[in-house]
Amino acid sequence: RKEVEQDPGPFNVPEGATVAFNCTYSNSASQSFFWYRQDCRKEPKLLMSVYSSGNEDGRFTAQLNRASQYISLLIRDSKLSDSATYLCVVRGGGSYIPTFGRGTSLIVHP
Amino acid sequence: DAGITQSPRHKVTETGTPVTLRCHQTENHRYMYWYRQDPGHGLRLIHYSYGVKDTDKGEVSDGYSVSRSKTEDFLLTLESATSSQTSVYFCAISFLAGAGNDEQFFGPGTRLTVL
Repeated sequence: RKEVEQDPGPFNVPEGATVAFNCTYSNSASQSFFWYRQDCRKEPKLLMSVYSSGNEDGRFTAQLNRASQYISLLIRDSKLSDSATYLCVVRGGGSYIPTFGRGTSLIVHP
Repeated sequence: DAGITQSPRHKVTETGTPVTLRCHQTENHRYMYWYRQDPGHGLRLIHYSYGVKDTDKGEVSDGYSVSRSKTEDFLLTLESATSSQTSVYFCAISFLAGAGNDEQFFGPGTRLTVL
């Protein structure tokens, strides 16, 4: 079982839709969680960190569920510019090296 | 944007030739990483460094070596390139590893094709 798993998608949604991604992790001792965004043929960039209490940044909301060992990303009012691959990243549990999921592809269409 | 550059940005080489990729940072960050990204595999760690001359292997280190003689430079060498090493290579840096929500910053990537 891979340490960090994501549904690769693609998630194909119309503009204005709400879409949610989940990411599961296997190491219960993991301590830090992130969502990165990667545009086609570009480098990954941090979208947001995921805190235990959950956090929100504009249209984006991230949640952590330690009991079930998953993190989620909710995007409200999707824009065409949200089209990208979203990478889940988990770190901790005896290593400071982050582990990346394979990414979830989002396509927002007019 | 974090000051990370990679060179070359694109390279085509032949099987069996040595190749060196360079990552240069101007942020004075302690930690540096080399990843490769392939369809269906996501980002996979090749090697990383936690200081000058301090390096360690990642999950896909076979066929690769690294060196870090200065804080700002982290070199990745393919001793004898193979077609399976055709990939996009990303360098990343971070200031504090494992300390809270410290993020990684990525370079623009190098597209390597081994014929």
